[in-house]
Amino acid sequence: GAGVSQSPSNKVTEKGKDVELRCDPISGHTALYWYRQSLGQGLEFLIYFQGNSAPDKSGLPSDRFSAERTGGSVSTLTIQRTQQEDSAVYLCASSLAGTGTPAAGEQYFGPGTRLTVT
Amino acid sequence: TQLLEQSPQFLSIQEGENLTVYCNSSSVFSSLQWYRQEPGEGPVLLVTVVTGGEVKKLKRLTFQFGDARKDSSLHITAAQPGDTGLYLCAGARGSNYKLTFGKGTLLTVNP
Repeated sequence: GAGVSQSPSNKVTEKGKDVELRCDPISGHTALYWYRQSLGQGLEFLIYFQGNSAPDKSGLPSDRFSAERTGGSVSTLTIQRTQQEDSAVYLCASSLAGTGTPAAGEQYFGPGTRLTVT
Repeated sequence: TQLLEQSPQFLSIQEGENLTVYCNSSSVFSSLQWYRQEPGEGPVLLVTVVTGGEVKKLKRLTFQFGDARKDSSLHITAAQPGDTGLYLCAGARGSNYKLTFGKGTLLTVNP
C-alpha cells in the first residue's frame, strides 16, 4: 500500500505568518508522530498521537506549535507566528502500534516538509 | 546531553571496503532501530533489535545489539556506492513509542 505522505514538500514563509503542514499516515496505523530535523541536531520528537488523542505533546517547542488528528488518520501540524528558528524539515511517521510492543518503535516516515522562514 | 551517541559522525570510504558504525548510550533500551536516510527523503527503517546480544543480517549489513541493550553496531561488508546515506540509530524505552535518535553517521562510498 501507499506510504506516509506529507504536504507541501517545501514551504517558504515570511516571519510572523502561520503555516499548516499535513501528514497522511499509512492506512491502519493507529500511531502517528511528528519530528523536526535540523542540521546538526538530529531528529527531535514533537508529538505523538494514538488514534485522535495526543498523550504526549512534550516535544512541542512552544505554544505557537499545535497539532491535531482527525478520523484516526490525517494530521495537521500548525505553527503560528513563525520565527526563523522554526526553519527545519518536519517529518511525520506512523506505526502499527503505539505502545507495548517493539512494533511501536518501527516507525515509517514520510518524505518531510522543508520549512524555510525568511 | 545526547542520549544516543553515534560514531563516527562522517565516514568516507572506497567501494569494496568494510566499515562499522557505532551507537552508544548509558541507558537501557527496550528496542533499537537502525534507519537510513537519503537527501530529501525521510528515514527508512532497516532493522529492529530487541534482545540483548541479538545479531541480525540484511544482505551485506550486520546489526548487533549489545548484551546490556545499551549499545549497537552496524557493520557493512564490501560497501557499494548505493550504501551512501545518513545512518541513524534510534532507541525506544519503556512503552516503546518515543524514539530517541542519534545524530547519525553520514557515509559516503566512492566508486
